Amino acid sequence: AQTVTQSQPEMSVQEAETVTLSCTYDTSENNYYLFWYKQPPSRQMILVIRQEAYKQQNATENRFSVNFQKAAKSFSLKISDSQLGDTAMYFCAFSRRQAGTALIFGKGTTLSVSS
Amino acid sequence: SQTIHQWPATLVQPVGSPLSLECTVEGTSNPNLYWYRQAAGRGLQLLFYSVGIGQISSEVPQNLSASRPQDRQFILSSKKLLLSDSGFYLCAWREPSYNEQFFGPGTRLTVL
Repeated sequence: AQTVTQSQPEMSVQEAETVTLSCTYDTSENNYYLFWYKQPPSRQMILVIRQEAYKQQNATENRFSVNFQKAAKSFSLKISDSQLGDTAMYFCAFSRRQAGTALIFGKGTTLSVSS
Repeated sequence: SQTIHQWPATLVQPVGSPLSLECTVEGTSNPNLYWYRQAAGRGLQLLFYSVGIGQISSEVPQNLSASRPQDRQFILSSKKLLLSDSGFYLCAWREPSYNEQFFGPGTRLTVL
């Protein structure tokens, strides 16, 4: 069975600084997807970034980038130039490639950005 | 573009009462549909998923059930609510050929 672990329950950062959220996972699959979702106080789950396991290049989306280390089963999220609006709970998630597969979530990291 | 709706947004129900939460998706056909529950301050737990009309898979044994009477409609139900059913319920959809899931705004359920 697949598991996703986020070892940092809470983190804080100042505006304009860079922060990295950690995520490790366990799977015997070779083809899969990894995601970071953001849940602000409104509780709407928002997709931040995705990574396909077969791609070696790390995904980037504006200020958000990942460090995907397949051999180490590590998938960290880096947020550059942090903004107050980045304050949210961040979830790492794993998905197999098969149709109908659900996401397996970590327990989340609460990020607070202060001015 | 695709949108996903959930209602009601909040619900307060007494123990032992029935439950019906509805989720509908617009702008897509034959989506995979999912129900998740999020307890306070915790991650998401998959409850049910569906790959087509009338096809429901259950991940966690409990007093909840799900139905998919139409292609883009997914309903979460209970005949008798328990205190432990309190939480935040999220519906999600994905196109079968892609792996991203997109979430609805959620329903906050409080069972008293």
